[in-house]
Amino acid sequence: DAKTTQPTSMDCAEGRAANLPCNHSTISGNEYVYWYRQIHSQGPQYIIHGLKNNETNEMASLIITEDRKSSTLILPHATLRDTAVYYCIVRGVTGANNLFFGTGTRLTVIP
Amino acid sequence: NAGVTQTPKFQVLKTGQSMTLQCAQDMNHNSMYWYRQDPGMGLRLIYYSASEGTTDKGEVPNGYNVSRLNKREFSLRLESAAPSQTSVYFCASRTLLGDTQYFGPGTRLTVL
Repeated sequence: DAKTTQPTSMDCAEGRAANLPCNHSTISGNEYVYWYRQIHSQGPQYIIHGLKNNETNEMASLIITEDRKSSTLILPHATLRDTAVYYCIVRGVTGANNLFFGTGTRLTVIP
Repeated sequence: NAGVTQTPKFQVLKTGQSMTLQCAQDMNHNSMYWYRQDPGMGLRLIYYSASEGTTDKGEVPNGYNVSRLNKREFSLRLESAAPSQTSVYFCASRTLLGDTQYFGPGTRLTVL
């Protein structure tokens, strides 16, 4: 599975959009981009995933560049409860299908 | 529908003691996973079970054994606990063709 690079930490004002970047320059054609988050001391929570098209659900939007080498997770209106560590994960569809968690981005939403 | 449950929530062991961490899911998922998370780090895969009756090693299997008791339950055993196994342990499950993993709340283990 391809490696990902994320900033260590970011701040965002409450009510504003949080844009979390992720680089995955070695991604291959059949690998998906997944985003999970982990709120303090809890188990990771799935947010969204995509292959090449932009995706949106009730939690977030995922923008994947045309060359698929990077992506951005967008939380449209960040709240204090969105403070968490966000993990960008690239995974294929074969094999163990386990998730490789790097160190992620610690997002702090500021009142 | 409780999702993925783990017991116990907290445990303190002395070096050399043994224990079993329990995990159960009620979502009829085929695959189950055990991860550990050390302070300030991401999760690392210990063992996984792609389906009932099968188990395979992950990234950090040494010192652990697993049992896929049935489709619902996947246990993790520490035969002789060591301080290096102090960590938070997460269980997860996934459907056969599903894309997402669902995680339990974790077990916080301290080995003295």
